[in-house]
Parts: sequence; structure tokens; C-alpha cells
Amino acid sequence: DADVTQTPRNRITKTGKRIMLECSQTKGHDRMYWYRQDPGLGLRLIYYSFDVKDINKGEISDGYSVSRQAQAKFSLSLESAIPNQTALYFCATSDPALRQPGDNTEAFFGQGTRLTVV
Amino acid sequence: QKEVEQNSGPLSVPEGAIASLNCTYSDRGSQSFFWYRQYSGKSPELIMSIYSNGDKEDGRFTAQLNKASQYVSLLIRDSQPSDSATYLCAVKSDSWGKFQFGAGTQVVVTP
Repeated sequence: DADVTQTPRNRITKTGKRIMLECSQTKGHDRMYWYRQDPGLGLRLIYYSFDVKDINKGEISDGYSVSRQAQAKFSLSLESAIPNQTALYFCATSDPALRQPGDNTEAFFGQGTRLTVV
Repeated sequence: QKEVEQNSGPLSVPEGAIASLNCTYSDRGSQSFFWYRQYSGKSPELIMSIYSNGDKEDGRFTAQLNKASQYVSLLIRDSQPSDSATYLCAVKSDSWGKFQFGAGTQVVVTP
């Protein structure tokens, strides 16, 4: 099983509908992130959370909201989906700062959710 | 100005040759640097991480970091068709804990 699991993997929804993307992890990491990826634009940060009580907006949070239900779960909601939210969405986790040489502090990604808003 | 910049490519590389990818970043507080490989429609997977100035080698991959010039590069030696993918550069400031990604460089290895 994947360490970072996203559901659903694919979703087509209509304009104006509310949709939730879910992310769960078994890595025991405190830090979780939601990114969207569009062709030519790379990964852009939507929201991030450093622990259950810490939620922060990223560079493109408008139109999105999140919920950190537990250390292992971080959900992204589109309250009223619009076509320009059509994208590939990734959840990621990481450990905190480098503590000693050899520590791994990279981001671990889920499999992604391909969302299409029609 | 984007915080992390990469040439978008595509970078066409003959099989067996060296692919050279470059990345520049603007945040001088960045402390951790990563190269990810991403196949079309798939999630990014870590290739290399580097934290100190200089070179770091892992198999056919070498990452190079120069904090004074604010660039990090990736060399892929003996390129294989399976190396055809988009390579994402990511930087992180441990103070902020956020990853900033470049738009990626597409590499195409031709037989």
C-alpha cells in the first residue's frame, strides 16, 4: 500500500458542485501539503499544515478550503467548483527540518487526483 | 520573477550521453534542495537531495549545489530512454518549511 493515499484518483464534476479530495498517510509525518499542477506551471501550493492545529494558506488558496482531521488525514475542498480548477492535485507529506546529516526531509507525494470540472 | 526557475525544454539527449539540467532560486534562506523525476500523469519521485555546497553523486546522477550563485544542477550520465521524463527542482527553507518547485524541465532521450 502507498504511504500517501489520495482518493478519488479521478473525478469529473459539474460547475458549482462541492467536492472533497482526501489524503491519508502512514508515514507519521506532521507536515502535509496540497498542490495543484497545471501544464507549464509546475506545482503550486494551495494549503499546508504543520500539525493538526496549524493550517496555512499557500500561494493559490482562493476557492479552496482544507481540514486536518487528524495527523494522518488532510482533506481539500472545492466549495463551488469552476472549470479553471481542472488540474492534477497532489497531496504531500514531509518531516520537519534537517536535524543531522543524512536525515531525509524531502516531500513524499500521493498518486494524485485528476479533477475535471465541466 | 519566479522563485525557482528551470528551462522548460524539451532537452533532447542521445542515448548514452550526459543530460545537464539547471535550476536557479531566489530565496537565499533556502537550505534544502531536491530533484524529482515525474513521468506524465504520475506523481513526482525523489532522485536526489543535496544540502551542502559541492557535488553529490548517486549512481548515474550527480547533483551540484552553489549557494553563493543560487543554483543547483543535475547531471544524468549514460542517459537511457527510461530517463525521459520531466525533472522538477525543489527548494526548501527549513525556517518556513515550504517547498518551492520549478516548472520542470522535460528530458527526451533519443535511441
